[in-house]
Amino acid sequence: KAGVTQTPRYLIKTRGQQVTLSCSPISGHRSVSWYQQTPGQGLQFLFEYFSETQRNKGNFPGRFSGRQFSNSRSEMNVSTLELGDSALYLCASCLAGVRDTQYFGPGTRLTVL
Amino acid sequence: TQLLEQSPQFLSIQEGENLTVYCNSSSVFSSLQWYRQEPGEGPVLLVTVVTGGEVKKLKRLTFQFGDARKDSSLHITAAQPGDTGLYLCAGAGAGSYQLTFGKGTKLSVIP
Repeated sequence: KAGVTQTPRYLIKTRGQQVTLSCSPISGHRSVSWYQQTPGQGLQFLFEYFSETQRNKGNFPGRFSGRQFSNSRSEMNVSTLELGDSALYLCASCLAGVRDTQYFGPGTRLTVL
Repeated sequence: TQLLEQSPQFLSIQEGENLTVYCNSSSVFSSLQWYRQEPGEGPVLLVTVVTGGEVKKLKRLTFQFGDARKDSSLHITAAQPGDTGLYLCAGAGAGSYQLTFGKGTKLSVIP
């Protein structure tokens, strides 16, 4: 069974640009969550999607958005990038909810210059 | 807002020593998970505990969920270099769709 894949793995952008990250969940998984990981703050929850609907959103500004497609693949977008957005962005998939085993992808390392 | 405090933040020990990592909160969690993350990879689930007072063992790792479901601990017996990594606890509140993570404990086991 293929694991969670994230593309791209590494990304370098400049302030003010926007970026789109992609996450392909494990086949059959309908829930996808996104997290931002930084050395200072650890893993912080961005949002969770289930069957194309956002069920929960973390405490991030509106520049962070996401969506989920009918095949459960998910994308997140960050507009007007700031230096502080430099982080490892992780997505996790599971069957239905947080009580199921979460399978994380390897992450996308975003650097904002 | 539910918060999870992990301690210690860093731990460097010799191979063969024992260690305990703590995860504490003022909030009640309906379930708590422990993950290990290695550089360049995403976290990998080690265990999920759901019942207050529950103890689970995974080879040399022992996980405990507090009676009040507000805290948890991870004990490693006879640590090995392969145990090196970032250990994360994560909790889910009742009816929640999100996991709240602690900031992690970075463990280094020196051969």
